[in-house]
Amino acid sequence: AQSVTQPDIHITVSEGASLELRCNYSYGATPYLFWYVQSPGQGLQLLLKYFSGDTLVQGIKGFEAEFKRSQSSFNLRKPSVHWSDAAEYFCAVDGTGTASKLTFGTGTRLQVTL
Amino acid sequence: GAGVSQTPSNKVTEKGKYVELRCDPISGHTALYWYRQSLGQGPEFLIYFQGTGAADDSGLPNDRFFAVRPEGSVSTLKIQRTERGDSAVYLCASSVQGSYEQYFGPGTRLTVT
Repeated sequence: AQSVTQPDIHITVSEGASLELRCNYSYGATPYLFWYVQSPGQGLQLLLKYFSGDTLVQGIKGFEAEFKRSQSSFNLRKPSVHWSDAAEYFCAVDGTGTASKLTFGTGTRLQVTL
Repeated sequence: GAGVSQTPSNKVTEKGKYVELRCDPISGHTALYWYRQSLGQGPEFLIYFQGTGAADDSGLPNDRFFAVRPEGSVSTLKIQRTERGDSAVYLCASSVQGSYEQYFGPGTRLTVT
């Protein structure tokens, strides 16, 4: 069965520290991969996406993610976290290749300490 | 421009009642999606429209759930005989047809008492 796993439910980092959020997927082929952020009271916002090509993709707000086929992973990173980055982060995949639906992980809640 | 809007933002209803949740997609977006997000979980796909027709309704949990999009714009998610387990945030998203970038609304929080 197709699945997306975010192993970390909750992560706390200090402001200015680096961040890596993990995402693993289980699909037969390379799916289309996404990271979304959800702030309290806000809708899901797309941070970045990977379809093909360069395995390191840049997104908004200084985030980047690296696709590693051998590890079935698509981890999200940021070199220096800001207090405003505190939110819930979701990894998602489109395994159908038809732009019809996304399958989301359970999310990682990021807390930033000052 | 205006994003995806959903009304109401909150809905409290009694078990057994009927509810309708509305979604206004971004103008010009022909694809529309409904998801359900339970507490502590990621969004779960319910149904996908291309234009007026439901192209994929495989995520609807049972026949109490139904969605329409009669004119290819606004969509309504309808839940009959609500149960406490239906309590969740219902999210709507839209996209340009064929695009993989979905734009999400703020959601409707449904509470069934």
